[in-house]
Amino acid sequence: GENVEQHPSTLSVQEGDSAVIKCTYSDSASNYFPWYKQELGKRPQLIIDIRSNVGEKKDQRIAVTLNKTAKHFSLHITETQPEDSAVYFCAAGGGGADGLTFGKGTHLIIQP
Amino acid sequence: DSGVTQTPKHLITATGQRVTLRCSPRSGDLSVYWYQQSLDQGLQFLIQYYNGEERAKGNILERFSAQQFPDLHSELNLSSLELGDSALYFCASSPHTGASYEQYFGPGTRLTVT
Repeated sequence: GENVEQHPSTLSVQEGDSAVIKCTYSDSASNYFPWYKQELGKRPQLIIDIRSNVGEKKDQRIAVTLNKTAKHFSLHITETQPEDSAVYFCAAGGGGADGLTFGKGTHLIIQP
Repeated sequence: DSGVTQTPKHLITATGQRVTLRCSPRSGDLSVYWYQQSLDQGLQFLIQYYNGEERAKGNILERFSAQQFPDLHSELNLSSLELGDSALYFCASSPHTGASYEQYFGPGTRLTVT
C-alpha cells in the first residue's frame, strides 16, 4: 500500500520567515496530494491541495510543489505569522487505497 | 466550520463496552470516510461509504463496523472496546468517491476507554 513520509517532525521558525515541510510517497499511482492544518483539539482543515497533472499551486502565502518523478511534494509558507502555529499533515490519495494516507505530521512553531 | 457534524464530542466508556459514533456529511456530499487519530498510529483511514454502500476498507478492526443510511448520515460502531481504542475518531465527507477529491473533516469524537 501507499506510504507517506513527512519531515521534519518539528519546525521552529521566526515570525516573518518562511517554512518548508517535505513529504515523499511510495505509490506512483497516487494522483491527489492535500495538506491539512490541525490546531490542538480541532479537526484537520484542508488548506491546499495539488493534483498530479500540476507541478505547483499557490494560494496567498502558501504554495505546494510536486515532483512526480521523485515522488515528493512540499508545502511552503511565506511570511509566517503566529496563527500559522499548528500541526501540518501531508497526505496522498487516488492510488491503490481509497482513503487518504497521511504523513505523521509536522509541528510548526512560530517564534515571535 | 466544514459543514460536517459529529456526535458526541466526547465519550468515556469501559473496556468491553460498545459505542456508536455519528456523522452527518456536508449538504450534497455522498461520500463519508472514517479516520482514527492516535498518538502512536497517527491519522489512519478506516472505512468509506458512498451513497449508502461500502466502497473501501482501510485498517479497520473486525470489532469495528459502519453503515451509511438513506439520509447519508453514517455511524461507526466500536465493540468489545480495549484501552488501545482510545483515540480521536473523525469522519470526513466528499462529493465524490475515490481519494482523488477533497475531503472535509468533522470536529471529531474523542473516545476514552477506561
